[in-house]
Amino acid sequence: TQLLEQSPQFLSIQEGENLTVYCNSSSVFSSLQWYRQEPGEGPVLLVTVVTGGEVKKLKRLTFQFGDARKDSSLHITAAQPGDTGLYLCAARYNTNAGKSTFGDGTTLTVKP
Amino acid sequence: NAGVTQTPKFQVLKTGQSMTLQCAQDMNHNSMYWYRQDPGMGLRLIYYSASEGTTDKGEVPNGYNVSRLNKREFSLRLESAAPSQTSVYFCASSERAPPYGYTFGSGTRLTVV
Repeated sequence: TQLLEQSPQFLSIQEGENLTVYCNSSSVFSSLQWYRQEPGEGPVLLVTVVTGGEVKKLKRLTFQFGDARKDSSLHITAAQPGDTGLYLCAARYNTNAGKSTFGDGTTLTVKP
Repeated sequence: NAGVTQTPKFQVLKTGQSMTLQCAQDMNHNSMYWYRQDPGMGLRLIYYSASEGTTDKGEVPNGYNVSRLNKREFSLRLESAAPSQTSVYFCASSERAPPYGYTFGSGTRLTVV
């Protein structure tokens, strides 16, 4: 059974601050996705990373995939209140026949 | 641009009642999934369907059944609802090839009393 751990569980910061959220796996994964979920809605896909060491940017969000394909991070620069939400990482493993395992998420609150 | 549509959005059931949650996607995806989301426990896979005509158990299948009616539709049935099944249920779909990301519906909030 693969485990996916996210940290921190909760994060509350002021507008304009930077932050990093971490996602660590007990096993090597074949791909990893990051999602953002707002209250009352389903998760929305932000990015997929598949290559060890890969870095992707989405405006103020930077996603990094560890070289060993067992960890990933999400960095937000100059956070804004609109970034508030639940951030989820999800991993696919070669043994899982296409299913994704989700972390428990990081709840981010950005105060104006 | 509907994506994944789930019905109903809210439901209250009495213990022992049955109901079916409906899900349909219009993106021609092969794979469909049912997850439940509980506070502090993230998303847990109930059942999935890798392609039309196939279904498999996920992490928490007990108390549920599914039907992949066709490529578009994947329903989840609770035969005899229990309070432990109070949760938010999400349907999702994806392709089997990269980039692998899921498209989720907006969820069904189910309360069993």
